[in-house]
Amino acid sequence: AQSVTQLGSHVSVSEGALVLLRCNYSSSVPPYLFWYVQYPNQGLQLLLKYTSAATLVKGINGFEAEFKKSETSFHLTKPSAHMSDAAEYFCAVNMNQGGKLIFGQGTELSVKP
Amino acid sequence: GAGVSQSPSNKVTEKGKDVELRCDPISGHTALYWYRQSLGQGLEFLIYFQGNSAPDKSGLPSDRFSAERTGGSVSTLTIQRTQQEDSAVYLCASSLAGFRDEQYFGPGTRLTVT
Repeated sequence: AQSVTQLGSHVSVSEGALVLLRCNYSSSVPPYLFWYVQYPNQGLQLLLKYTSAATLVKGINGFEAEFKKSETSFHLTKPSAHMSDAAEYFCAVNMNQGGKLIFGQGTELSVKP
Repeated sequence: GAGVSQSPSNKVTEKGKDVELRCDPISGHTALYWYRQSLGQGLEFLIYFQGNSAPDKSGLPSDRFSAERTGGSVSTLTIQRTQQEDSAVYLCASSLAGFRDEQYFGPGTRLTVT
C-alpha cells in the first residue's frame, strides 16, 4: 500500500536556525511529491512539487526539498527559519492514481524568537 | 485571480440532519477534489471529479456521503443523517487537469455535528 510518513508531529526551531522536516514515502511507481503548508484556519498552500524533472526542488518562501529515490525521501528544508514560518506542513504523494493525494500526518513547526 | 471558494465557512448541525457543502473551483480547472481533515484521521481523500469521466468515489466513508459536480464547475458534497464522527473540516481543491498538476485548496468548511 502506498503511504507517506512524516517523522515528528512537532518540530521546534529558533529563529534563524535550519528547518528540516522529514518525509518518506512508499510507492511501487515513480511518484509525484508535494509539500503543502497550512496556516491556522486556512486551507493548504503549495510550497513545492517534484515531478521528476530535477531532484532538488525550490519552492516559495525560501523552502526547498530534495528527492532521494534510494532513500524514498523528500525532506523539506529552509536555511534560516523566520517567525512567519510557524505553521503545519504536509507532505503528499500522488501515485498516478487519478489525482488523489495521499497525505502524511503533518508536522507542526514552531519558531522561537 | 479568484481562488477556490467554499461555503459555508462554518456549519453547525444536529445529529441526524442532512448538510450540503459547496465548492466553487478555479475557472478553467477540470479536476475537482474533496478531502476531509480531522484530528484523528488527518487529511483524507473523499472523491475526485475529472472532466466528464465517472468520479472516483473510493474515499467516501459511507453511503451517507455523496457529491455531484454540475456543468463541470460547482460541486456539492452532501452528508445525509449526520453523525458526530462527521465533524471535521471539509476541504475542496481544484487542478488544471490531472495528477501532475498542483491542487489549489479552498479555505474549507468546518462542520460541527452536535
